[in-house]
Amino acid sequence: GAVVSQHPSRVICKSGTSVKIECRSLDFQATTMFWYRQFPKQSLMLMATSNEGSKATYEQGVEKDKFLINHASLTLSTLTVTSAHPEDSSFYICSARGDLNTEAFFGQGTRLTVV
Amino acid sequence: AQTVTQSQPEMSVQEAETVTLSCTYDTSESDYYLFWYKQPPSRQMILVIRQEAYKQQNATENRFSVNFQKAAKSFSLKISDSQLGDAAMYFCAYRPRYSGGGADGLTFGKGTHLIIQP
Repeated sequence: GAVVSQHPSRVICKSGTSVKIECRSLDFQATTMFWYRQFPKQSLMLMATSNEGSKATYEQGVEKDKFLINHASLTLSTLTVTSAHPEDSSFYICSARGDLNTEAFFGQGTRLTVV
Repeated sequence: AQTVTQSQPEMSVQEAETVTLSCTYDTSESDYYLFWYKQPPSRQMILVIRQEAYKQQNATENRFSVNFQKAAKSFSLKISDSQLGDAAMYFCAYRPRYSGGGADGLTFGKGTHLIIQP
């Protein structure tokens, strides 16, 4: 299957700072990338969908000014959590899909801890 | 809005036995995809099996098979000859085949924790 690499796998940041998470498709062109959030022992919740070169589409209840998503190329999308607070601590997972793919491929996830 | 329901928070099965995980969904779409994903303790999401709604034949991948009942909006996963490595969280997921507005990520169920007893 196709490979999606997410970095970093773990990050700890201080409250009030911003943190950037990268999601790269290594062997295919990802026209669409997705960002999910997963709280402990819960399911994945879609935060936003990004298409290369256009603005991201955010799900209801997700603050677009807090979770900045950039999909500037066909192989890279970034999620920036701005002015992070402890309640933003969670597991964030990206996935990527190419035009010819039915399914999206997942990155390894990033565990964010805000202290 | 689409919803996916997994009514079994946890299931346990003896090694080498067969287990079935249930999933129901609600949608007004007629063309869509259904998936089963496995999430081991590493938390890497692994695709187990996929079903296209327009295909009547149930998908099969080695020891994994589904029972897709479109009219009942049911999509269960059967794992045959269970192995210790099958222990994980299993999530059922849905997405429409076509979407407007560019938002067509997966809708997940709450998951079923599968325990394999040696």
